[in-house]
Amino acid sequence: GIQVEQSPPDLILQEGANSTLRCNFSDSVNNLQWFHQNPWGQLINLFYIPSGTKQNGRLSATTVATERYSLLYISSSQTTDSGVYFCAVPPEETSGSRLTFGEGTQLTVNP
Amino acid sequence: DGGITQSPKYLFRKEGQNVTLSCEQNLNHDAMYWYRQDPGQGLRLIYYSQIVNDFQKGDIAEGYSVSREKKESFPLTVTSAQKNPTAFYLCASRRGPGELFFGEGSRLTVL
Repeated sequence: GIQVEQSPPDLILQEGANSTLRCNFSDSVNNLQWFHQNPWGQLINLFYIPSGTKQNGRLSATTVATERYSLLYISSSQTTDSGVYFCAVPPEETSGSRLTFGEGTQLTVNP
Repeated sequence: DGGITQSPKYLFRKEGQNVTLSCEQNLNHDAMYWYRQDPGQGLRLIYYSQIVNDFQKGDIAEGYSVSREKKESFPLTVTSAQKNPTAFYLCASRRGPGELFFGEGSRLTVL
């Protein structure tokens, strides 16, 4: 099956710093999602981004499907950005197909 | 409001007891999923269902059972056969190849 690798596994920042998280996948995909899991466990949808670039406030994401990677940019980080960031891809473009998740990047933003 | 509701949020049970976690969605999504998350780990797929009265095993189905009698509902039973049931359980749903959305999760502790 498809393999998904995220890097770095852990990242510690000072408030106000910028960061880039990476998601590599081993096969062609038709879409990709980024999630943020907050310290209470809730998984929040950040981006649904099969290709191209999207921006939402201080966060943006770029997926280059032909090169099999996606990047999540966090600018001017805040302590509330702390948590785990997951990317997920479906191996097939069919209803109900299972998504493969990466192992996540644990982000800690210190005040 | 549309969304995915999991209950209970916290559950304590004695070893050897079966427990059922509820997941209800009013998003009119066809596919529903159950994931398990252990501390500091990623998400592992337990079961998923693409349509009513049909479901498939995920990667760690042993010791779990599900049903899908209604489109809106996908309950998960953690049976006494599950050797290490203490974990965080997440339910998710999606329409076709669209975005995956998660409920807030249920934390099960077996004493």
